[in-house]
Amino acid sequence: EVQLVESGGGLVQPGRSLRLFCAASGFTFEDYAIHWVRQAPGKGLEWVSGISWNSGTTGYADSVKGRFTVSRDNANNSLYMQMNSLRAEDTALYYCVKGSGSFYYHYHMDVWGKGTTVTVSS
Amino acid sequence: QSVLTQPPSVSAAPGQKVTISCSGSSSNIGNNYVSWYQQLPGTAPKLLIFDNDQRPSGIPDRFSGSKSGTSATLGITGLQTGDEADYYCGTWDSRLVAVIFGGGTKLTVL
Repeated sequence: EVQLVESGGGLVQPGRSLRLFCAASGFTFEDYAIHWVRQAPGKGLEWVSGISWNSGTTGYADSVKGRFTVSRDNANNSLYMQMNSLRAEDTALYYCVKGSGSFYYHYHMDVWGKGTTVTVSS
Repeated sequence: QSVLTQPPSVSAAPGQKVTISCSGSSSNIGNNYVSWYQQLPGTAPKLLIFDNDQRPSGIPDRFSGSKSGTSATLGITGLQTGDEADYYCGTWDSRLVAVIFGGGTKLTVL
């Protein structure tokens, strides 16, 4: 069974940093792009970042560009997102999502994790 | 304001049919595949339709997708109370160089 399990969320003060982690299983992790998608409380889905199969290409939403960095470790079936200079508007449930192809662009997302909650507040 | 425009809500009676529209532009829907996601209350989104009109295995044929020009449509027939959920369209935007989603549509089965 394909599974994505997120962790690392929590309560953090504005301006501080947090690192999210996603553990993948049930598929050949190194063959697929992976995304982070977030959902603020009571709001819709917002794509945050994507990384291609070999980390060769990455993409970010304008709202997080320059503050968030996505990376992956194919040897350990793991995805990370370093979140710096956090703001109140970054408060959301963050989902790790498997892409259907090797690149994060053009391909749909086919499997979603259950998410990890990030709350930015003083 | 989302780049893809969806109606905030739709409703219909059990057994009836409903359609949910998703309107975009040439930089997104017009030149890229559309996918649809179903988010049941309190759960993570689930892929419902990909490549405009394809269903993943396990998705009943009550769910269908179509695309014409810069708009896409999700259709659900034989509505059940268990279909009550938020539905999102998504695609790639070549101008924004980003994955984009519609604002979501809340389906109520009366």
